[in-house]
Amino acid sequence: GAGVSQSPSNKVTEKGKDVELRCDPISGHTALYWYRQRLGQGLEFLIYFQGNSAPDKSGLPSDRFSAERTGESVSTLTIQRTQQEDSAVYLCASSFPSTGGWGYTFGSGTRLTVV
Amino acid sequence: AQSVTQPDIHITVSEGASLELRCNYSYGATPYLFWYVQSPGQGLQLLLKYFSGDTLVQGIKGFEAEFKRSQSSFNLRKPSVHWSDAAEYFCAVVIFTGTASKLTFGTGTRLQVTL
Repeated sequence: GAGVSQSPSNKVTEKGKDVELRCDPISGHTALYWYRQRLGQGLEFLIYFQGNSAPDKSGLPSDRFSAERTGESVSTLTIQRTQQEDSAVYLCASSFPSTGGWGYTFGSGTRLTVV
Repeated sequence: AQSVTQPDIHITVSEGASLELRCNYSYGATPYLFWYVQSPGQGLQLLLKYFSGDTLVQGIKGFEAEFKRSQSSFNLRKPSVHWSDAAEYFCAVVIFTGTASKLTFGTGTRLQVTL
């Protein structure tokens, strides 16, 4: 597609429930990134995909967080047993990796609210 | 550790005044540097980027940034600020680790514009 698409745009969930966040990167972008932005905060790196593998998962805050990518395209970020501190905007970005990012294009994010 | 620092959390300028937002990086090699803007409720928009070559980089919306290796800085400037420039500004650096690359953000500077 023309841009990075994320769905849903907003998600309200009850504490303890699992949620899945989806990211559709720009066609041809083999690198995909997930970031988290808490209210009033900067962007925290979560995980990076190169193709379907994840060489850097260092930012995942706990084992409740996982992500996968299939077909070098769509990625899903899953949060199990959500907690209130998981409330944030989750941003996805894609890029051409070998050149260090000619352009990291960001999606509009998914705003997750855990009540 | 490689990182990027934005010393100013919040800056207020009058409309029409000049603006400079500071960014310092810590990285052993030549960095790939970016400035992004995030307006309230909006996604991240790339303002400009530096990879190599001319150290003064022109971006969108009348912004420019200068890479100064001796000072490890990449400050963002605008000669005359408009009220619509009020937003959060993020400096970022690409960090390479083996075959992976990671876009790492500073904590952001919130710009307020007074009329």
